[in-house]
Order: sequence, then structure tokens, then C-alpha cells
Amino acid sequence: NAGVTQTPKFQVLKTGQSMTLQCAQDMNHNSMYWYRQDPGMGLRLIYYSASEGTTDKGEVPNGYNVSRLNKREFSLRLESAAPSQTSVYFCASRETGSAEAFFGQGTRLTVV
Amino acid sequence: GESVGLHLPTLSVQEGDNSIINCAYSNSASDYFIWYKQESGKGPQFIIDIRSNMDKRQGQRVTVLLNKTVKHLSLQIAATQPGDSAVYFCATGPSWGKLQFGAGTQVVVTP
Repeated sequence: NAGVTQTPKFQVLKTGQSMTLQCAQDMNHNSMYWYRQDPGMGLRLIYYSASEGTTDKGEVPNGYNVSRLNKREFSLRLESAAPSQTSVYFCASRETGSAEAFFGQGTRLTVV
Repeated sequence: GESVGLHLPTLSVQEGDNSIINCAYSNSASDYFIWYKQESGKGPQFIIDIRSNMDKRQGQRVTVLLNKTVKHLSLQIAATQPGDSAVYFCATGPSWGKLQFGAGTQVVVTP
């Protein structure tokens, strides 16, 4: 049972480049999340998806887009990367009615 | 512009002592109040949760207390061990929606 899998684990982008962070969960959870974590800080919610085909903005959605094409996968896209988007990105999933969210190992993104 | 990272508050605890980690929350409508542990280089891991209709819940070596009057949540760790060294986050949210995380507390266990 892999849980939540994120790819890639590390990425360096130049300012203005685009990329998509992939996330997949094998626990049949309805809810999925994307967070960013900056050094010495907590997790800030970027986007959230309550179920397949639905997405909602979190605290810091600007500069990001998401896609929830099926129940397993929730991707995060940076259309034009900026240095301020240098961060560690975490994907998580949670079953409706459960408190426990399961997190991936994170993607360390550096924008130069 | 670039955001500036803030230093996490740090709780230094001697091995074997009890730890108390505090969290203030703002969303009165939350159903769940949750504690997560994050070890260096890893994603957060669930520790324990408490529902809004409770004020205390105990797990293995951990106790969570909820005071809705002052919007305060605490995590007590009994007999703190070196493996408890990590960053601890509180999170709140409804049973089906967004989970919001607090800023975190760094716990350092000293021998």
C-alpha cells in the first residue's frame, strides 16, 4: 500500500518556466489537498478537492492551477514559476468523515 | 516579493519529562481538531484528533485538550522520548472540507 505518492521529489525551475506536480493516492479517498511549506513555517493550503471533478481555492491559490481528473490523482500546475514559489509542496488525502489526512513525502521546488 | 521565513517557537524538554504544546485557533465552526507530527524531511503524520463535542481525549502517551471557550488546543506528551523530537502542528477543519494548519512548534528532546 503506497499511500500518497508525489512526483517529482526535487525540481529546479527557471523563472517563467512551467511545470506540473503530480499526486496520486491509492486509498480511495474523496478529499485531496495541496499545501506549501516555507522554511520555518506551517503548511498553507493552496487548493482543495472534495471529490472527483471539484476544486476549491485555499489560502494561497495565486499562481497555481489544479486538476482532479479522477479520484486517484490531483495535480498542481505552475504556469509561470516565480522565485516566491520556491517551497516544499505536500499533497494529502483524507476520507470524508475522518480526521486523519495522509501526506506524501513532498516535492522540493526551487525557482531561480 | 519574497516571504521571509519565521523561526518556529521551540520547546526544549528533558528526556522523560512531560511536554505540553499549545495551539490557538480561530475557526469556531471546525468539527475536528487534530495534531500532526513532522520529522525532518518528511510529510506530516497524524497523531491524534478530538471532535468539537469533546474536551479531552487520550491516546498512547498523548492527551489532547480542547477549550472552545478560549479557542485553545493543547497536546500533552507523557515521558518524552528522543523520537518525539519533531515539529508539531495543530490543524482544524470540518469533517469533509478544508484542513487549516497552525504555525507549528519545534520540540527538542535533550538527554
